[in-house]
Amino acid sequence: DVKVTQSSRYLVKRTGEKVFLECVQDMDHENMFWYRQDPGLGLRLIYFSYDVKMKEKGDIPEGYSVSREKKERFSLILESASTNQTSMYLCASSPTGLDFATQYFGPGTRLTVL
Amino acid sequence: QQQVKQSPQSLIVQKGGISIINCAYENTAFDYFPWYQQFPGKGPALLIAIRPDVSEKKEGRFTISFNKSAKQFSLHIMDSQPGDSATYFCAALDNTNAGKSTFGDGTTLTVKP
Repeated sequence: DVKVTQSSRYLVKRTGEKVFLECVQDMDHENMFWYRQDPGLGLRLIYFSYDVKMKEKGDIPEGYSVSREKKERFSLILESASTNQTSMYLCASSPTGLDFATQYFGPGTRLTVL
Repeated sequence: QQQVKQSPQSLIVQKGGISIINCAYENTAFDYFPWYQQFPGKGPALLIAIRPDVSEKKEGRFTISFNKSAKQFSLHIMDSQPGDSATYFCAALDNTNAGKSTFGDGTTLTVKP
C-alpha cells in the first residue's frame, strides 16, 4: 500500500513564526503536491514538484515556499505565518506512467495560526 | 477562475436511494476525470476515474457518466449506504501537465439510515 505521511496532524503557531510542514511518501513517486483545504473552497494547489529539486507554483503560492531535496520528501514552508494561513494542509504524491494521474493523499495537517 | 464546478454543495439521501453529484469543466485539454472520497480526519482517496473516450464507467455501486460535448460528468451512487457518508471531490487534469489536478469544491453526502 502506498503510504503518504505528514509530520503533524495538528499544529498551532503564532503570527510571524516560520512553519515547516513535512511530507514523506514510500512508493518512489516522482510527483508530489501540497494543497490547502478550506470549507467550501475544495482543494487548492499550492505547489507541486515533478522531480527532486524541481518545483512549480500552483494556484495559490503566495506566502509559501517548498523544498524537495530527496525524492521521498516534500516540505512546505510558511516563511512568516499569518492568520489567513489557518487551514488544513494536504500532501499528495503520484507516479508517472499510465497511472500517474492517481494521487495518493496523506492524512493532513490542521494548522492554526494565532 | 474556477475550472471545475461541482454541485450540489451538500446532499442528504435516504439509505437505499441514489446519490448524484455533478461536475462541469471548461478546459478542453482535460483528459482524465477522477473522483475522490474523503472521510472525516482522513485525506481524500481515489474512488473511481474515467477517460473521455468512454461515456460511462461502473465499479460496484459507483458509476461515472461522462458527456464530452457538454463538458460535464457525474457520479452516481446506487443503493446509498450510511457508510458512504463522506465528502466527494471531482477532479480534472491534463495529462501533459505533470499530473496537476484541478478539484471541484466538494460535496458533503449524508446518507440517513
